[in-house]
Amino acid sequence: DAGVIQSPRHEVTEMGQEVTLRCKPISGHDYLFWYRQTMMRGLELLIYFNNNVPIDDSGMPEDRFSAKMPNASFSTLKIQPSEPRDSAVYFCASSFSAYEQYFGPGTRLTVT
Amino acid sequence: GEDVEQSLFLSVREGDSSVINCTYTDSSSTYLYWYKQEPGAGLQLLTYIFSNMDMKQDQRLTVLLNKKDKHLSLRIADTQTGDSAIYFCAERLRRTDKLIFGTGTRLQVFP
Repeated sequence: DAGVIQSPRHEVTEMGQEVTLRCKPISGHDYLFWYRQTMMRGLELLIYFNNNVPIDDSGMPEDRFSAKMPNASFSTLKIQPSEPRDSAVYFCASSFSAYEQYFGPGTRLTVT
Repeated sequence: GEDVEQSLFLSVREGDSSVINCTYTDSSSTYLYWYKQEPGAGLQLLTYIFSNMDMKQDQRLTVLLNKKDKHLSLRIADTQTGDSAIYFCAERLRRTDKLIFGTGTRLQVFP
C-alpha cells in the first residue's frame, strides 16, 4: 500500500482565498483524522470520521473550516476564507479501529 | 483533565542509549504510543503499549510504562544519527477514539 496520500504537499495562497486540502486514506481503514501542527500549539486534532461519518469536530477552529468524507477513499478539508493565522502543516491520518494511526506526509499551507 | 507532557530537548552521543520520558494525567488511557517525526515528514508510528503491560521491547526500542506514576519512557539503544528527530508520545483514552499527543521531544545525536 502507498500509505496515506495528501495533496498538495505545499500550498501558498493569499488571504481571503479558498483552500482545499485532500487526503486518500489507506485502503481498508475505517477512521480518518485531520490534524494541524504549528510551533505554538503543537499537534491539534481538528476532526475525525468513522466509516465516513464525522464523529468529533470539536477541534475545528471556526466556521471557516469544514471537512467532508464523501466515500471511504477520499476526504477534504476546506478553509474559506483563509487567513494568515491558518498557516500550518495539516496532516491526515487513517487507522483501522482507531488503534494505530498512520499519518500522511502533510500539506504545508502558507497564507500571505 | 487530559494532558501529556514531555521535555523539549535531548542530546546524546552516537552509540549511547537515549531515554525519552513522558507523563500523562488520564488514568483511563488504554494504549500509549510513540511516534517519530523527521524534518518535513509526517509522524511515523514506532511502537505502542497496552496499558496493562509494563514493558515492550522491539529491536533497539524499549518502552517502559509505570501506570501508578503515569509515566512512559522510550529507550533507544545504540543511538544513531538517523535517530535524530522529534519524538511524540500519545495516549488513547478509554472513552474516545482520539489520541492526545505530547509536545514532542527533539532528539539530537552527535558523533
